[in-house]
Amino acid sequence: EILLTQSPGTLSLSPGERATLSCRASQTVSNNYLAWYQQKPGQAPRLLIYSASTRATGIPDRFSGGGSGTDFTLTISRLEPEDFAVYYCQQYGQQYGRSLYTFGQGTKLEIK
Amino acid sequence: QVQLVQSGPEVQRPGASVTVSCKASGYNFPGYFMHWVRQAPGQGLEWMGIIDPSFGSVTYAPKFQGRVTMTRDTSTNTLYVEVSSLRSDDTAVYYCARDTGIGGGNSADYWGQGTLVSVSS
Repeated sequence: EILLTQSPGTLSLSPGERATLSCRASQTVSNNYLAWYQQKPGQAPRLLIYSASTRATGIPDRFSGGGSGTDFTLTISRLEPEDFAVYYCQQYGQQYGRSLYTFGQGTKLEIK
Repeated sequence: QVQLVQSGPEVQRPGASVTVSCKASGYNFPGYFMHWVRQAPGQGLEWMGIIDPSFGSVTYAPKFQGRVTMTRDTSTNTLYVEVSSLRSDDTAVYYCARDTGIGGGNSADYWGQGTLVSVSS
C-alpha cells in the first residue's frame, strides 16, 4: 500500500502570496495518477488537479500541479481569500490486481 | 447535471449496523465506478472502497474488508454502504464520490453532500 505524506501540516500565508504544497509517496505512483482536492469546512472535497498536472473543469489557472514518481506539488500562484482551506492529495495504484486509493493527511492553508 | 444525493444523518449504538445511501442522477449510472470515503471529526479523508455499478464488483480498502459491504440498485441508480459492528471510531461523515476512470486520472470528480453517522451509547 502506498502511503502519502503531505507537508507542511499547516501553511500560513497572506492573500496575494504564492503557496507551494508538497505530497510525497512511499513508492512510485503509477502513471502519475495523483490528484489534489480542496475542502472547506462543512463541505465535500472538490477536485482541483488530476494526473498530477491537469486542472479539473472550472478550476482557475492560478492552481497548478507538478511532479512525478514520488514527489508532487500543488502551487497556488496568487492566493485569493477563498483559497484558504484544507488540501488533500490522493493516489491510485494496484496491488495484487486490486485497485487501491489512498489520501494524504492534508495541509491546512490558513490566513496569516 | 450530475447529482449525488445521500441519505440523512444517523445515530446508532455500538455493535449495531448502519446503511448509507447515495442516489445518482444526471449521467450514465453504470458507466462510472463509485467510491466511498469517510472523514472522522477534525480528521482527514479515508478511502473505504470502490464499486462498479455495472457488475456490482467491489474492491475494499484492507482496513474495511469484512466489516463493510457496498452494493447498488441499478433500477433506482442508488448505491449503498453498510457498516456493521459499529464502534465509536466509526463516527464520521461518509461520502460517495464518482470515479473519473483513466480519462480523469482515476480521481473523484463529483461528491455527495456527506452523511454524518454518530455512534454513541
